[in-house]
Amino acid sequence: EAQVTQNPRYLITVTGKKLTVTCSQNMNHEYMSWYRQDPGLGLRQIYYSMNVEVTDKGDVPEGYKVSRKEKRNFPLILESPSPNQTSLYFCASSFIGDRETQYFGPGTRLLVL
Amino acid sequence: AQSVAQPEDQVNVAEGNPLTVKCTYSVSGNPYLFWYVQYPNRGLQFLLKYITGDNLVKGSYGFEAEFNKSQTSFHLKKPSALVSDSALYFCAVRVKGGYNFNKFYFGSGTKLNVKP
Repeated sequence: EAQVTQNPRYLITVTGKKLTVTCSQNMNHEYMSWYRQDPGLGLRQIYYSMNVEVTDKGDVPEGYKVSRKEKRNFPLILESPSPNQTSLYFCASSFIGDRETQYFGPGTRLLVL
Repeated sequence: AQSVAQPEDQVNVAEGNPLTVKCTYSVSGNPYLFWYVQYPNRGLQFLLKYITGDNLVKGSYGFEAEFNKSQTSFHLKKPSALVSDSALYFCAVRVKGGYNFNKFYFGSGTKLNVKP
């Protein structure tokens, strides 16, 4: 089944404790992206990747890192999480020639205390 | 700066009636426009997109949207609403060309409630 998976789905952590949210897709998509969803603000793009080893900042990259060592994986790293990073995070992927038709993962709900 | 506005937080409509969910955009350049739907506890699902050509775009589940360049709008419509259409709807834009070519900008979302 074609899908985007994220782990963990729910996470409670404390300020400053490094964490990684994994994202994996099995559709051989070149384009992958991370978003955060906050009430009243919709989705905001954090980082995106056009292919392996090619990443760039979205609209709200501060406090986040990403890597793209393999085509299928695009982990989101919070080196020192803060409470303002409490949010619902979505990973998405698509073919490079059809970036509008993104496939979204189920989401990761993060609470930073 | 690129932006997308969905002026209504919530739209209520009776089943069988037509529905409209509004979206306007502001971009520096020509836009790709699209709509996504989000059901509770799920990720977003692609509904439809406008790239070029006919201003009326048809998508999944009987939805359609009309691109209006002069009004910079891309309203989502359906002739006859179903209770199962109740969900959160997001309008989004990507700019053709330029520095922001690969970035996506989403609206804040509109909750659609369809009552039986």
